[in-house]
Amino acid sequence: NAGVTQTPKFQVLKTGQSMTLQCAQDMNHEYMSWYRQDPGMGLRLIHYSVGAGITDQGEVPNGYNVSRSTTEDFPLRLLSAAPSQTSVYFCASSSGQGRPYEQYFGPGTRLTVT
Amino acid sequence: SQQGEEDPQALSIQEGENATMNCSYKTSINNLQWYRQNSGRGLVHLILIRSNEREKHSGRLRVTLDTSKKSSSLLITASRAADTASYFCATVNAGNNRKLIWGLGTSLAVNP
Repeated sequence: NAGVTQTPKFQVLKTGQSMTLQCAQDMNHEYMSWYRQDPGMGLRLIHYSVGAGITDQGEVPNGYNVSRSTTEDFPLRLLSAAPSQTSVYFCASSSGQGRPYEQYFGPGTRLTVT
Repeated sequence: SQQGEEDPQALSIQEGENATMNCSYKTSINNLQWYRQNSGRGLVHLILIRSNEREKHSGRLRVTLDTSKKSSSLLITASRAADTASYFCATVNAGNNRKLIWGLGTSLAVNP
């Protein structure tokens, strides 16, 4: 199993540009989530999904959209990038029956918005 | 909003010593989880302890949970240089078990 994969690893955007961060898992996990990690802030939940077709907002959803059309994929869309979205983004999945128990993390995407 | 607060923020020890990190939280929980993050990498799940459990072991790791004090501790025994990492606690709250709420982490340095 590849586990949780994320692409790209690094990205630089200009203010106002849009992009999609890709996340895929091959473990048939129901629960998937997106976090951002900023220095001194820990991990903050952006959006999560408890199964295909079901998504919900986390702590910091503004400026981000998600969809979950398949169990495997959970892309995160930045609608109009802002410097405040400069961060490291992690995707995670969990085998915990649609709950965030024992999450598996991807390697992260380091995003810089200029 | 952050739920857990780890203590200390940073810890430096010698190889072979034990490392203890603490986590406090604010609301009733379903479970508490500990994760490790090596520099520049994704997080790795270490151990999950449920609200009705008081202690759990996994290899050199020992986790305790005191729900009356709303606190947990992670003990790493006989530490190695490879244990150098940041350690995070995260909670699943009893009122909303669909979200994992994270603390700010403890940075552990194990010196050879």
